[in-house]
Amino acid sequence: DGGITQSPKYLFRKEGQNVTLSCEQNLNHDAMYWYRQDPGQGLRLIYYSQIVNDFQKGDIAEGYSVSREKKESFPLTVTSAQKNPTAFYLCASNPPGGYGYTFGSGTRLTVV
Amino acid sequence: AQKITQTQPGMFVQEKEAVTLDCTYDTSDPSYGLFWYKQPSSGEMIFLIYQGSYDQQNATEGRYSLNFQKARKSANLVISASQLGDSAMYFCAMRETSTNAGKSTFGDGTTLTVKP
Repeated sequence: DGGITQSPKYLFRKEGQNVTLSCEQNLNHDAMYWYRQDPGQGLRLIYYSQIVNDFQKGDIAEGYSVSREKKESFPLTVTSAQKNPTAFYLCASNPPGGYGYTFGSGTRLTVV
Repeated sequence: AQKITQTQPGMFVQEKEAVTLDCTYDTSDPSYGLFWYKQPSSGEMIFLIYQGSYDQQNATEGRYSLNFQKARKSANLVISASQLGDSAMYFCAMRETSTNAGKSTFGDGTTLTVKP
């Protein structure tokens, strides 16, 4: 079955450490997105990519970086510059002319 | 800038009854789409229903319907015959289609609890 796979499900980061969240899709979708969700709040856009080798900053890109070397993959790196990274991270994709997003199951990141 | 407002942090409904979750939006773009998503306690977001700004009829998907009132800029979700499995957080979202980037703006959500 087609879908989006996010890994790991849970991730713990030490202060000053960079960590990378994986997002892989087999839906053949061009557009992919990373959102952050804090407890009791909605989703905020971090980065998005409409095509391979191209991506744009969202509303809260500071302290994050992404790459899009393959259509199937859109990894998110949380750098040490992100001062408050503890949150739930969701990856999504959208087909051309599509309606609702397809989401992965999310990664819960905690700073220890 | 686009904005989504969900004014009900929490809602309760009796099993088998209908419930309406409120959503208002603000945009200057004449072309946009409105979405509702469900987030169970597991965390995964599930797309429920879509309404385009030029659609003449309200969208329906099974027990879900979207009450679209364009002049009032509201897009309320109606769930009929509530089930215990409907207990979850529900998010309203909007996408301005003229930008063609597929980005969506989300509200803060409403937590729905279905009581047996």
